[in-house]
Amino acid sequence: AQSVTQLGSHVSVSEGALVLLRCNYSSSVPPYLFWYVQYPNQGLQLLLKYTTGATLVKGINGFEAEFKKSETSFHLTKPSAHMSDAAEYFCAVTTGEIQGAQKLVFGQGTRLTINP
Amino acid sequence: SQTIHQWPATLVQPVGSPLSLECTVEGTSNPNLYWYRQAAGRGLQLLFYSIGIGQISSEVPQNLSASRPQDRQFILSSKKLLLSDSGFYLCAWNKVSSYNSPLHFGNGTRLTVT
Repeated sequence: AQSVTQLGSHVSVSEGALVLLRCNYSSSVPPYLFWYVQYPNQGLQLLLKYTTGATLVKGINGFEAEFKKSETSFHLTKPSAHMSDAAEYFCAVTTGEIQGAQKLVFGQGTRLTINP
Repeated sequence: SQTIHQWPATLVQPVGSPLSLECTVEGTSNPNLYWYRQAAGRGLQLLFYSIGIGQISSEVPQNLSASRPQDRQFILSSKKLLLSDSGFYLCAWNKVSSYNSPLHFGNGTRLTVT
């Protein structure tokens, strides 16, 4: 079975500083990996995804993530944090379809706080 | 473009009362539909998913049930709520038979059972 571990339930950075949110996964087959962002009292919005091909994936709002198979990691980064980046971030893994549906397994989430 | 609607946005219900949360998708046909629950301080837990009308798969045994009476309508129900049912419920959809199709989430329903 797949699983996701997000290291650090809370991360705090200064505005303009590097953002690094860590995600490690466990999967017995090649995974598909996703990062989602959730703003307060809202649903989740897709930031980026990795399926196959280039291991460095660029997403919306200046975020990117790198798939490292040897480290079973998919860390999310952004070079310069903005106040609007304050939100909760979820890493998720799936190994594809099961009975026609895609069953995502989510990590516990990391709450990102941006200090002015 | 596709949109997903969930209602109500917030709900406060006493223990033992029934529950009905509704989710509808517009702008697409035959979507996969999902119900997730997000408990305080925890990640998202998949409760139910559906690949078609009347086809419901349950992930976690509990006192909740789901139904899909129409192609783009997904309902989460309970006959008698428990305190442990409190949480943030999210409906989501994606395209059928697209293995890397991301999930699109509604804005959720915050349920408080008192």
